[in-house]
Amino acid sequence: GDSVTQMEGPVTLSEEAFLTINCTYTATGYPSLFWYVQYPGEGLQLLLKATKADDKGSNKGFEATYRKETTSFHLEKGSVQVSDSAVYFCALRGMVGSARQLTFGSGTQLTVLP
Amino acid sequence: GAGVSQSPRYKVAKRGQDVALRCDPISGHVSLFWYQQALGQGPEFLTYFQNEAQLDKSGLPSDRFFAERPEGSVSTLKIQRTQQEDSAVYLCASSPSAGTRATDTQYFGPGTRLTVL
Repeated sequence: GDSVTQMEGPVTLSEEAFLTINCTYTATGYPSLFWYVQYPGEGLQLLLKATKADDKGSNKGFEATYRKETTSFHLEKGSVQVSDSAVYFCALRGMVGSARQLTFGSGTQLTVLP
Repeated sequence: GAGVSQSPRYKVAKRGQDVALRCDPISGHVSLFWYQQALGQGPEFLTYFQNEAQLDKSGLPSDRFFAERPEGSVSTLKIQRTQQEDSAVYLCASSPSAGTRATDTQYFGPGTRLTVL
């Protein structure tokens, strides 16, 4: 079945540092790929998505490129801020079944220090 | 703001009690999903509705779990005879189209945190 493997945390960075959170997946066919973010005390919010190979999703300075050859969707940001502190989830939505539910990784806790 | 809402936000139950968790999806959204998120883990799929039809309940962990969406809008997840292992955050999500569109974004509610003592 579908699965997502995500870089384990927690990750602690200083403000303005470069961020990479690795994500790889296993799926049948051509899934859509997502990054969701969960700020403290809040629900999951979509951060960015990519729906086909070589697409780049971007939002709020974050980027991720859908790499089918390496089955990866790594999240990057060039300069993190304290306000980026949150839990980040990589997810895919597969091509099989009527639900097409999201399959999530286990999440990566990011803390950015001033 | 017409986002997905869930109630209650927090629920404490004694082992063996029945609980009911409510989800109000975004108006007009066809698809509705329930997920269970254990502490420190990513959400896991429970069940899926397309309008009032429950098309997939493969993720429900036992027959103590039951979900309905009788009029194709509000949904209720019911857990009978709660056990400690049911303690988790229960998330509801909706999306505008039927489940065949893998590109659709799912919009999540804030979740209900269930604690079973």
